[in-house]
Amino acid sequence: AQSVTQLDSQVPVFEEAPVELRCNYSSSVSVYLFWYVQYPNQGLQLLLKYLSGSTLVKGINGFEAEFNKSQTSFHLRKPSVHISDTAEYFCAVSDQNTDKLIFGTGTRLQVFP
Amino acid sequence: EPEVTQTPSHQVTQMGQEVILRCVPISNHLYFYWYRQILGQKVEFLVSFYNNEISEKSEIFDDQFSVERPDGSNFTLKIRSTKLEDSAMYFCASNRGLDGELFFGEGSRLTVL
Repeated sequence: AQSVTQLDSQVPVFEEAPVELRCNYSSSVSVYLFWYVQYPNQGLQLLLKYLSGSTLVKGINGFEAEFNKSQTSFHLRKPSVHISDTAEYFCAVSDQNTDKLIFGTGTRLQVFP
Repeated sequence: EPEVTQTPSHQVTQMGQEVILRCVPISNHLYFYWYRQILGQKVEFLVSFYNNEISEKSEIFDDQFSVERPDGSNFTLKIRSTKLEDSAMYFCASNRGLDGELFFGEGSRLTVL
């Protein structure tokens, strides 16, 4: 069975600072990895995804993530955050044999001026 | 850009009442899902649906829940007799079936009193 761990429930950061949101997964088979963002009172929007190929994945809004198979990680990064990046960020995994996503518990990114 | 739409956006109901949440997935998608998110908690998989039948369901999806695709466009989640603990945001999602990427609707907030 797959699982996703997001160790940081909250990450406070000042505007224009860099940020990293951590995600680790466990799976016995090859996986697809995703980061979704949820702005207040809204649905889930895909930030980026890793399916195969290059381990560095670039997404929307200046975010990127790196797939590290040996460390089973898929950390999300942004070199300079904006106030508008304040949201809940969910890491998710699916494998190539099933069609469902398993989500982590989420990380609340709070950007301060 | 095509999107998943859900109705109602918010429903308040009395415990024991039946509730139907409606979703219109993206038109050329083949896989359909319901997820829920209890306030402050992670997004949990409920059920997946493909080729007019349930392909997978979670432990949460007990006999009180059912899904249906009554016509070529709608995908519904019915809760037969709501309980207080059914209060949550319910997300519908659809998938082309190519790469595991799910497209989510804005969600339907269910409040059971």
